[in-house]
Amino acid sequence: GENVEQHPSTLSVQEGDSAVIKCTYSDSASNYFPWYKQELGKGPQLIIDIRSNVGEKKDQRIAVTLNKTAKHFSLHITETQPEDSAVYFCAASGEGFQKLVFGTGTRLLVSP
Amino acid sequence: EPEVTQTPSHQVTQMGQEVILRCVPISNHLYFYWYRQILGQKVEFLVSFYNNEISEKSEIFDDQFSVERPDGSNFTLKIRSTKLEDSAMYFCASSGRRGGNSPLHFGNGTRLTVT
Repeated sequence: GENVEQHPSTLSVQEGDSAVIKCTYSDSASNYFPWYKQELGKGPQLIIDIRSNVGEKKDQRIAVTLNKTAKHFSLHITETQPEDSAVYFCAASGEGFQKLVFGTGTRLLVSP
Repeated sequence: EPEVTQTPSHQVTQMGQEVILRCVPISNHLYFYWYRQILGQKVEFLVSFYNNEISEKSEIFDDQFSVERPDGSNFTLKIRSTKLEDSAMYFCASSGRRGGNSPLHFGNGTRLTVT
């Protein structure tokens, strides 16, 4: 089955810096790659997603890139703010999005 | 914005007891899911449910687990005889339709503590 690896496990940046989180997946049939932000005591909240027919997607300060050949995808956050501090999870899914396989999470800490 | 709601937020139970975790998915969604997250670990898929039946389940979802949509709004997860290792955060999620442009929306979870 699908396996998703994520790194780094923790990432500390200064406010205003960029943050990059990387994930790799094993199943070449996976075609949907969402990123979730999880704040303390809350459920995962979708922040951006990308499908396999697209190489890059942006939404304001957040962008995701996908390299299907290498089977990896990355989350880029620019101009980080303290409120970006949270745990970020990548995930992968095949056709129908029935089952998301999550990465192990990255704890991002943005210091003022 | 519509959201998935889960109750209770925290459930404490003794080993061997039955628990029912409740969820109200987003009202026009058709696909329902349960995931769990053991403290400090990744979120894991348990089961997906569509058209009043299970469409996929993981190895974790054994005979001790069951799901039900008893009415038009609730979606429940029952653990028949809880074990210590069932202690985790359980998340309900829903999506509008299969494939296409319908991502999963998660609730805030129920923390299950089995003593």
